[in-house]
Amino acid sequence: GQQLNQSPQSMFIQEGEDVSMNCTSSSIFNTWLWYKQDPGEGPVLLIALYKAGELTSNGRLTAQFGITRKDSFLNISASIPSDVGIYFCAGLSPISNFGNEKLTFGTGTRLTIIP
Amino acid sequence: KAGVTQTPRYLIKTRGQQVTLSCSPISGHRSVSWYQQTPGQGLQFLFEYFSETQRNKGNFPGRFSGRQFSNSRSEMNVSTLELGDSALYLCASSQRDTQGAFFGQGTRLTVV
Repeated sequence: GQQLNQSPQSMFIQEGEDVSMNCTSSSIFNTWLWYKQDPGEGPVLLIALYKAGELTSNGRLTAQFGITRKDSFLNISASIPSDVGIYFCAGLSPISNFGNEKLTFGTGTRLTIIP
Repeated sequence: KAGVTQTPRYLIKTRGQQVTLSCSPISGHRSVSWYQQTPGQGLQFLFEYFSETQRNKGNFPGRFSGRQFSNSRSEMNVSTLELGDSALYLCASSQRDTQGAFFGQGTRLTVV
């Protein structure tokens, strides 16, 4: 199935560092979503972006909806141990044959914090 | 407000058997979507239901099916299980007329 190109695949950082990851697609999306998934759990929605060019923050997290509607990035500032996990981007594609939309997920970025 | 609830959390089945997974969406959410997550393929969309109707379907064989009840609860069924069906099956619900934003904890299915 289709997946979005998400990079980097993994990151090893020290506590307190800032983190940046991005997602690109060959297709246009109406909405970009960023999720975090902990082991054995379902993804948790972090940020939702609904308009091209939109910049949205949620605490230490900031995400942007690319102006071309084909990309998005997520920044985490001053990382803390609980930021460890896998981060997924997801795009909501334009109207399908049934007049609805579906989510396409990125391949994930695994964040590890080195003590 | 209770979150999305999936049951059971864990399941072990034998090849050839069938399985039914259940999802209760957040109260008031009418759209329920199902996803399969595997290490190799990542998160793959299975199907989406809204008001008891399947609105969208991913690229999975006909062995994968689902339904939604009038109270928005949803079930998915996999028949003639194969080893490759082992995965985390996730359900998501949404209040808006688009696909799901809020996920359950998932059902971990192991086929032996």
